[in-house]
Amino acid sequence: DGGITQSPKYLFRKEGQNVTLSCEQNLNHDAMYWYRQDPGQGLRLIYYSQIVNDFQKGDIAEGYSVSREKKESFPLTVTSAQKNPTAFYLCASSTTEAYEQYFGPGTRLTVT
Amino acid sequence: AQSVTQLGSHVSVSEGALVLLRCNYSSSVPPYLFWYVQYPNQGLQLLLKYTSAATLVKGINGFEAEFKKSETSFHLTKPSAHMSDAAEYFCAVSYTGFQKLVFGTGTRLLVSP
Repeated sequence: DGGITQSPKYLFRKEGQNVTLSCEQNLNHDAMYWYRQDPGQGLRLIYYSQIVNDFQKGDIAEGYSVSREKKESFPLTVTSAQKNPTAFYLCASSTTEAYEQYFGPGTRLTVT
Repeated sequence: AQSVTQLGSHVSVSEGALVLLRCNYSSSVPPYLFWYVQYPNQGLQLLLKYTSAATLVKGINGFEAEFKKSETSFHLTKPSAHMSDAAEYFCAVSYTGFQKLVFGTGTRLLVSP
């Protein structure tokens, strides 16, 4: 079955540590996205990539980094520079012809 | 800048009652519009989409939405609520040639027996 996988489902880290969230898709989609979700704020775009080896900052990129070395994979690193990293992180993908995005199950990151 | 407004952070209905979730968008060009549903601790699932074809769009689980250009609205409806409809619903907008989605802040639908 085609889809998007995110691992792990729950992640706990100590303040000051970098952490990398995994996102893999087998939908053969060119574009991939990372969102952050906080209660009452909807989804906010962190980074997106429309093609391998290229990515753009979204609305809240500070304290985050990404890479896109393979079409199937778009990992997100939450760095120690992110002031409030505790949130639910969602990865999505889409084709370049259609505008709807398909979402993974999410990773809940808790930093203490 | 593009924006989406969802009126009401929470909507409560009884089982069997009409569901109406409101979404208004800002746009000076034709938009693409979407409704997504999210169950607790899960990702978003596409309910339906408007891409400039028919103004009344039917989606999954008995939901539908009507695009009204004059009102810049894309409200989501379902004639009869079911307990399983309890979830958070997000409206989103995108524009021709621009693949980013802009999401509303979401509406939590509560269904009581």
